[in-house]
Amino acid sequence: DTAVSQTPKYLVTQMGNDKSIKCEQNLGHDTMYWYKQDSKKFLKIMFSYNNKELIINETVPNRFSPKSPDKAHLNLHINSLELGDSAVYFCASSQESGVNQPQHFGDGTRLSIL
Amino acid sequence: GESVGLHLPTLSVQEGDNSIINCAYSNSASDYFIWYKQESGKGPQFIIDIRSNMDKRQGQRVTVLLNKTVKHLSLQIAATQPGDSAVYFCAETLRFNKFYFGSGTKLNVKP
Repeated sequence: DTAVSQTPKYLVTQMGNDKSIKCEQNLGHDTMYWYKQDSKKFLKIMFSYNNKELIINETVPNRFSPKSPDKAHLNLHINSLELGDSAVYFCASSQESGVNQPQHFGDGTRLSIL
Repeated sequence: GESVGLHLPTLSVQEGDNSIINCAYSNSASDYFIWYKQESGKGPQFIIDIRSNMDKRQGQRVTVLLNKTVKHLSLQIAATQPGDSAVYFCAETLRFNKFYFGSGTKLNVKP
C-alpha cells in the first residue's frame, strides 16, 4: 500500500491553463504539506494543513490554492499556469501538528508547462 | 570520501568505503534536523533525525553528527553500497514542522 499517493504523476499542459494535483495519505496523519522542487533539486515548502486547517502558507502566488476536504486529502489547484510553475510538486504528511517529526513524502507530480 | 555540501554537490565513492556528506544549516535557533535520501523519480525518504540537545545519533550504517557551534550537520554512511546512490538533503526546522532544506549532495557509488 502506498502511504502518500499523488495523482497524476506527470502533467503536461499549456501556459494559462488551470490544473489540479491530488494527494491522499493512508497513514492516519493529522498534517499534510505541499512542496515545490525546482530544476536544481531545491525543495521549498508551500503549504501545510492540519486537520483541514491551513497552518503554513509561504509566499506563494495567489494562483496556488490548496484544498483539504478531510485530513487524509490535500489537493493543490493552480490557476493561469506560467512557465515558472514547471517543477516537481511533492505532497507529504506527518503524524501530529506542533511536534517536530519526520515527514513522509509522495513520489511527486512532474508539472511541465509548454 | 567527503563532501562539503553546497561547494561540492557531487560525491563519488568506491563501494565499501565510508561516505561523509556535510551540510551547513542557516538558523542557529533550529532545534530539529533530518537527513533525507532522494532516488531518481522518487520522493525524499527519511534516513535519520537528531534534536539539538544531542550531538550524535546512530542508525543502521548511518550516523548523524551535529555541531551547533558552527551550525554544521554531517551524515556518515558506513560501507557504502550501490543502493546508497541518490541525492541527500539535510533539513532544519525550528517550529511547526516547517522544514528548510539544503541544496542537496549527489552520492555516486562506484562498484
